[in-house]
Amino acid sequence: TQLLEQSPQFLSIQEGENLTVYCNSSSVFSSLQWYRQEPGEGPVLLVTVVTGGEVKKLKRLTFQFGDARKDSSLHITAAQPGDTGLYLCAGVPGGSNYKLTFGKGTLLTVNP
Amino acid sequence: GAGVSQSPSNKVTEKGKDVELRCDPISGHTALYWYRQRLGQGLEFLIYFQGNSAPDKSGLPSDRFSAERTGESVSTLTIQRTQQEDSAVYLCASSLQLRPIYEQYFGPGTRLTVT
Repeated sequence: TQLLEQSPQFLSIQEGENLTVYCNSSSVFSSLQWYRQEPGEGPVLLVTVVTGGEVKKLKRLTFQFGDARKDSSLHITAAQPGDTGLYLCAGVPGGSNYKLTFGKGTLLTVNP
Repeated sequence: GAGVSQSPSNKVTEKGKDVELRCDPISGHTALYWYRQRLGQGLEFLIYFQGNSAPDKSGLPSDRFSAERTGESVSTLTIQRTQQEDSAVYLCASSLQLRPIYEQYFGPGTRLTVT
């Protein structure tokens, strides 16, 4: 089983602060996705990264895929209360393009 | 257009009873997935349907779990003789079959509580 470890598990910050959350594995993934999940909702896809070293920006969110395709990070600049939620990373093992392996998530709370 | 819908949103059942959960995927999405999310855990893959191909059932935790899908439409996940450890949120997702990865769109989930 290819595991994805996310850290930190919980993060509580003030509005306006910057933060980074991490997603690490000892295994190589052909691609990796980040989702945000709010209470009572399903996860919503934020981004897919495919190439080692790839960096993608989505407004105040910056996603990076490690060169070796074993890890990824999500950086949020000037966090806002609307960023509050559970951030999940999910990887696609080599040889599959549908069977996602999910991390346990980082629960982010941004206080006004 | 409409997203993935699931029903019921909440289900409370007694241990030993059977339950049936329903998923309506996004129209035109050929792939459909079921996941289980236990409290404090990540999503656990259960089963995958793709068109008329044989489903990938490798994630079903026991023979009490089964799922069906008619063509490219509605799917039902059935849990027989429910146990307390079956309590979780059951999520359904659908996707188009596009390379390099099938990007999945999730429904809101069904919260199952077994008492």
